[in-house]
Amino acid sequence: AQTVTQSQPEMSVQEAETVTLSCTYDTSESDYYLFWYKQPPSRQMILVIRQEAYKQQNATENRFSVNFQKAAKSFSLKISDSQLGDAAMYFCAYRSETGANSKLTFGKGITLSVRP
Amino acid sequence: DGGITQSPKYLFRKEGQNVTLSCEQNLNHDAMYWYRQDPGQGLRLIYYSQIVNDFQKGDIAEGYSVSREKKESFPLTVTSAQKNPTAFYLCASSTLGTRYNEQFFGPGTRLTVL
Repeated sequence: AQTVTQSQPEMSVQEAETVTLSCTYDTSESDYYLFWYKQPPSRQMILVIRQEAYKQQNATENRFSVNFQKAAKSFSLKISDSQLGDAAMYFCAYRSETGANSKLTFGKGITLSVRP
Repeated sequence: DGGITQSPKYLFRKEGQNVTLSCEQNLNHDAMYWYRQDPGQGLRLIYYSQIVNDFQKGDIAEGYSVSREKKESFPLTVTSAQKNPTAFYLCASSTLGTRYNEQFFGPGTRLTVL
C-alpha cells in the first residue's frame, strides 16, 4: 500500500518570502499522480497543484511550484511571495494510475502560518 | 453553479443513534468519496463509489454505511457501531478515465456526539 508522509506538522513564513513544504511517499508503482491540496480556516479543500509521475518537468501554478524528485520519492511544494491568504493546512496526496482506481492517499498535513 | 453540497454543516447526535450525512453533486462525476478528518490524522477514506449501485470500503469503513442509488447522491450513515464518530466529514467527487481524475470537495459536515 502506498503511504504519504509529511513530517513537518507546522511551518511559518514571513509575508512576501518563499517557503517550501515537504512531502515524501512510498510506492512500488512507476505511474501515478501527486497533488497538493490547501485547506484554509473555512475547511474547504482546494486543489493547488498536480503532477504526473512520468513528466520530468515540475508543475507550476502562478506562485506555487513543485520540486518532484521521482527517484527520491519526494514532492515538495514551494510557495513564492507568500501572502496572508496562503495561511492554511496543506495536504500532499497520491493517486495510483492502476486501472480506474481514483482513490487518493493523503499525508497528515502541515499547518502553514504567514507572519505579516 | 456546479459543485458539491453537504448537509447539514453541523450535526449533533446522542450516543447510540444513527445519523445520515448528505452529499450531492451536480458535476456529472462518476465517482464519489467520503473522508473523515481528525486533528493530526489527515484525511482517511471511509467509502467510495465509482458507479451507481456499487461502492467499496476504504481504510476505515467499520461503523459506517453508504448507498449510491443515484449518480448525484452518496449519503453516509454513521451507525451506533462507530465507536468514536465525532469528526469532520468531507465528501468528494471526481471523473473517471481522465488524466488526473482530480477530486473536488464539498464544504464538510462537523459531527459531534453528545
